[in-house]
Order: sequence, then structure tokens, then C-alpha cells
Amino acid sequence: AQSVTQLDSQVPVFEEAPVELRCNYSSSVSVYLFWYVQYPNQGLQLLLKYLSGSTLVESINGFEAEFNKSQTSFHLRKPSVHISDTAEYFCAVSRQGAQKLVFGQGTRLTINP
Amino acid sequence: GAGVSQSPRYKVTKRGQDVTLRCDPISSHATLYWYQQALGQGPEFLTYFNYEAQPDKSGLPSDRFSAERPEGSISTLTIQRTEQRDSAMYRCASSPGLRNEQFFGPGTRLTVL
Repeated sequence: AQSVTQLDSQVPVFEEAPVELRCNYSSSVSVYLFWYVQYPNQGLQLLLKYLSGSTLVESINGFEAEFNKSQTSFHLRKPSVHISDTAEYFCAVSRQGAQKLVFGQGTRLTINP
Repeated sequence: GAGVSQSPRYKVTKRGQDVTLRCDPISSHATLYWYQQALGQGPEFLTYFNYEAQPDKSGLPSDRFSAERPEGSISTLTIQRTEQRDSAMYRCASSPGLRNEQFFGPGTRLTVL
């Protein structure tokens, strides 16, 4: 079975500061990795995903995540955050060939002006 | 439709009552998923459909929970004899096929008094 641990339940940062949201997973088989974002009063939206190939994946709004197989991590980073990045971020994993997503507990990112 | 829709958005019911939640996926999406999200936690997989077939219902917490997708489009999740521990956000997602990105609806927040 797969599991996901998001080490920080809340991360407060100042606007234009860098941020890293940590995600570690456990699995005995190959996996796909995802970051989903939930903005206030909205549903979950896919931010970025790793399926295969380059271990560094990027989103259209400046986030990136790097798949590190040896450390079983998929941390999310952004070099300079904006107020509009305030949201809850969920890391998720699925076993290759399986359908269901296994989510972490979520990290609430709060941007202070 | 333009996105996944769910109804009702909010449901308050008394313990012991039955409730039915509805999910209308993106038109032509073959696969539909149900997740349960308790407060402060990430979503947890309940079941999924590939068209009208239901290959995996391993996440349903008890036999009080059941789901249907009789025509391979709209799905319902029914909880019989609701209990307070059933209070949660119930999320539906759809995808074009197996192993594709999942698109989430806004969720139904269920409160059992």
C-alpha cells in the first residue's frame, strides 16, 4: 500500500519569499506523484504531476516539484510567492496502473503581506 | 458540462437518516471517483467506476455506503442510517480514462447531527 506524509500542516510566509512544501511517500512499487491545490471555496485542482521522464516538473504559475526516488520525496517549491498562492496544497500518489489517489493530510499555505 | 458538478453542496441530516449525494461528471469522461475528506485530513478513496462497472469499492467504510452509476454518466453515493462519524466532505472526480488526470467537483459537505 502507498502512503503520503506532508510534514507541515501550516506554512506562513511573507509575500515574495521562497517557499517549500514537503511531501514524502512510501511505496514498494513504482508510483505517479501529484500536487493538488484547493483555493478558498473552490474544488481541488491539479497543480503538477510526475509520471515519468524528467524528475523536475513545473506548473504554469511558477511552482515546481522534484521527484527524488532515493529520498522518496516530491517537495513543492516556488522562489517567490504571491498573495494569490494562499491555498491548501495536497500531495498525492498513485501506484502505476492503479486508479485511486492516496492523499497526504494537506499543507495550508498562508501568505502575509 | 464544463466541469464536475455535485449536489447538494451542503446537507445536514439527523443520525439514522439516509442521504443520497449526486455527482455529474464531465461529459464523456469514462471514469468517476468518490472520495471522503474528514476535517483537517486529505481525501480518502471510497470507490470508482469505469463507465457503469465498479471495479473497486475497497474504500467504502461499511455496508451502509453504496454507489451507483447505472448509465455510465451520473453517479450517486448513498449512506444509509447515517452516523455522526459520516460527517465529512464528499468529493467526486472524473477523468477521460484510466490513469488520466482526475478533475474534482466542488464537493458536498455532509453534517450528521
